[in-house]
Amino acid sequence: GAVVSQHPSRVICKSGTSVKIECRSLDFQATTMFWYRQFPKQSLMLMATSNEGSKATYEQGVEKDKFLINHASLTLSTLTVTSAHPEDSSFYICSAPRNGDNEQFFGPGTRLTVL
Amino acid sequence: TQLLEQSPQFLSIQEGENLTVYCNSSSVFSSLQWYRQEPGEGPVLLVTVVTGGEVKKLKRLTFQFGDARKDSSLHITAAQTGDTGLYLCGGATNKLIFGTGTLLAVQP
Repeated sequence: GAVVSQHPSRVICKSGTSVKIECRSLDFQATTMFWYRQFPKQSLMLMATSNEGSKATYEQGVEKDKFLINHASLTLSTLTVTSAHPEDSSFYICSAPRNGDNEQFFGPGTRLTVL
Repeated sequence: TQLLEQSPQFLSIQEGENLTVYCNSSSVFSSLQWYRQEPGEGPVLLVTVVTGGEVKKLKRLTFQFGDARKDSSLHITAAQTGDTGLYLCGGATNKLIFGTGTLLAVQP
């Protein structure tokens, strides 16, 4: 199956700093990638759709200036949490559909802890 | 906003018991997927159902897609401790929206 990686897998940062999370499709190209966040024992909430070569589409209630998304190439999307606060602590997961496929391939997730 | 409601939200059963998880929506989806997720990992796809009324079996798991393609169910027969995890349904349109989730704990 297709592989999606995320880096870093865990990050701890101080309040007020910015954190960048990378999502890469390793063996296929993805014009679209999706970013989710997940709180403990809860479902995944879609934050935004990352589009290669154009602006990301954010879901209602997600601050675009807070969560900056850049889809720099057909295999890389980044999510930057700006001026992170403790309430931003969460599990962030990306996914990518292989072009022409119905199936989504998920990254292993990034655990963000803001102190 | 499309909403996928799962029930029950939490389920704790003994090994060997049967269970059913439901996924309901007021919206029609082109396809519906079921995932299982373990703590600290990404969700893993179990099955995709596409046709209304479709039934798919994966060993002890049986998945059904409603005739109107708005709802689905997952039935597990003779649950094992290894079935423990978070079960998520996902409705696909131009993006994948997840259901509210069902946390299953199978006790030995």
